[in-house]
Amino acid sequence: ETGVTQTPRHLVMGMTNKKSLKCEQHLGHNAMYWYKQSAKKPLELMFVYSLEERVENNSVPSRFSPECPNSSHLFLHLHTLQPEDSALYLCASSLQAGLSGNEQFFGPGTRLTVL
Amino acid sequence: GNSVTQMEGPVTLSEEAFLTINCTYTATGYPSLFWYVQYPGEGLQLLLKATKADDKGSNKGFEATYRKETTSFHLEKGSVQVSDSAVYFCALILQGAQKLVFGQGTRLTINP
Repeated sequence: ETGVTQTPRHLVMGMTNKKSLKCEQHLGHNAMYWYKQSAKKPLELMFVYSLEERVENNSVPSRFSPECPNSSHLFLHLHTLQPEDSALYLCASSLQAGLSGNEQFFGPGTRLTVL
Repeated sequence: GNSVTQMEGPVTLSEEAFLTINCTYTATGYPSLFWYVQYPGEGLQLLLKATKADDKGSNKGFEATYRKETTSFHLEKGSVQVSDSAVYFCALILQGAQKLVFGQGTRLTINP
């Protein structure tokens, strides 16, 4: 138990659906992250939020829309996804973005399948 | 650019064998280095870290030493257990950066 929870753990959706992934951290951290983990590819950083402000967006398609209403919660809104978006989506948090030696704590992930 | 290269998996060993998973990096600055582990069906957990040259990170019998001269951070364990079966990721982060750069992961299977 890392102090980062994600819901749902599994999600199956059609290409025309709209769904949201939720992440919550109970660690008092100020930075939160979304990563995508696809088979046989390195983890890809998608978004970084620091004190509820987006500080990095790694050329992610607009069909992925993040939201960070406060420093404990992070959402990833999904809309008109493609089958190649099927992956494990991992949320992480850290004390502060950009801090040297800063450890990131990961949630268990949401396994997303797009049909 | 910044990158991390790990040895190709999968790696299969017998219980009590010696483990080495190689990791080398390239970085434009002075990174901190990490090993993360991912057990089946779970997210990543930090296994150990080192923030400066010659530092040795250790945890649960695993060790890795930050070697600046060879730009390496190899993971070792003297006697592996079945419960060590997982995917291991080497990663770096530069000072002042938000982005952890991961290697591709090495799947380790330990047979009884």
